Amino acid sequence: GAVVSQHPSWVICKSGTSVKIECRSLDFQATTMFWYRQFPKQSLMLMATSNEGSKATYEQGVEKDKFLINHASLTLSTLTVTSAHPEDSSFYICSVLWGQQETQYFGPGTRLLVL
Amino acid sequence: EDQVTQSPEALRLQEGESSSLNCSYTVSGLRGLFWYRQDPGKGPEFLFTLYSAGEEKEKERLKATLTKKESFLHITAPKPEDSATYLCAVQGPGANSKLTFGKGITLSVRP
Repeated sequence: GAVVSQHPSWVICKSGTSVKIECRSLDFQATTMFWYRQFPKQSLMLMATSNEGSKATYEQGVEKDKFLINHASLTLSTLTVTSAHPEDSSFYICSVLWGQQETQYFGPGTRLLVL
Repeated sequence: EDQVTQSPEALRLQEGESSSLNCSYTVSGLRGLFWYRQDPGKGPEFLFTLYSAGEEKEKERLKATLTKKESFLHITAPKPEDSATYLCAVQGPGANSKLTFGKGITLSVRP
């Protein structure tokens, strides 16, 4: 399977600031990456699909101006949470689409706490 | 809209006590049903993909099965290290490979 990393693994920030989270595919070139958000004891909720070289596709209800996604290379996608507020505190996880069977392999996640 | 329901929400087993986790799904044209394991504070780890009713896959103490309406993850003689949350997800017919996840089943195995 694919190996995926995320950075940082956790971040604490003040309300109103912006936070950037990186997702890297370490062992293959990922055309498609996904960004999810997971609240405690809840399901993974897809936020957006990130395609290299094109604009991300956002799920209904996700503010594209608040959650900026950039997939500038085949190994890196970034999620920027702009003007973060306490309700944005969550566990953010990325995944890459790998192989002919289109299996998603996930990164280790980034815990965001907005004070 | 694709829907995935997992039950029970939590399951506590004694080491060696076999059991099954259920995943019921509704999807218009299943492309794949996925099982993942998630440890606390970590991302999901891929376990299995099932594509058609009647298909079965095994890995160590885990065995996944699929019908037209549900999937089961059978755990045989579990060990404490099998304690985790097990997530089920379905992939519908769209071209974008999106997954719809259930809430997961938290398994605790006591020594």
